[in-house]
Amino acid sequence: DAGITQSPRHKVTETGTPVTLRCHQTENHRYMYWYRQDPGHGLRLIHYSYGVKDTDKGEVSDGYSVSRSKTEDFLLTLESATSSQTSVYFCAISQLLAGRFRGTDTQYFGPGTRLTVL
Amino acid sequence: SQQGEEDPQALSIQEGENATMNCSYKTSINNLQWYRQNSGRGLVHLILIRSNEREKHSGRLRVTLDTSKKSSSLLITASRAADTASYFCATKTSYDKVIFGPGTSLSVIP
Repeated sequence: DAGITQSPRHKVTETGTPVTLRCHQTENHRYMYWYRQDPGHGLRLIHYSYGVKDTDKGEVSDGYSVSRSKTEDFLLTLESATSSQTSVYFCAISQLLAGRFRGTDTQYFGPGTRLTVL
Repeated sequence: SQQGEEDPQALSIQEGENATMNCSYKTSINNLQWYRQNSGRGLVHLILIRSNEREKHSGRLRVTLDTSKKSSSLLITASRAADTASYFCATKTSYDKVIFGPGTSLSVIP
């Protein structure tokens, strides 16, 4: 899986608690992404990063924040988890920003984190 | 409605048969990619086709793109049980966004 790990792989938490998911890459790729995957919706972009401390919002960013203090780590935080955030979360990386270059912008995905908010 | 939508939502075939799945989109694109997802795993990139290309091959995969119809098809020839997975198209639009469709679930029966 292109040197991408996610932790934890599974988590059950209660409504209102903070949750942090971690994505770690060993590929030194500049760009990192967080998606959520829900039945019938495909993958939806939450946030992405184009460099250390450089992040931007995706299409479903409400209720989520991210941080990237090192090239290899991208953290996704749910400040106060809600049941609607129950989902499978995927981290992805790319060498070129997906959507910003007329060329190869293949994304490589991590194994996913299954989050259940009760 | 979504930018990229795969069709059919689910497909079941016998091993050795060909599998065809389609992706339709609404706005103009720069490129279109197909990804595969095995159960419980992340997505894996299969193939990318640019808007000025009409057909690409990669092993048993054949992708076509018809920009006039805003559609693409993925053909998997001589399918194997290991091809059982969900397949997603991802379109990169003129507005520099990559959007994934909801996917086609393929089952290849041994």
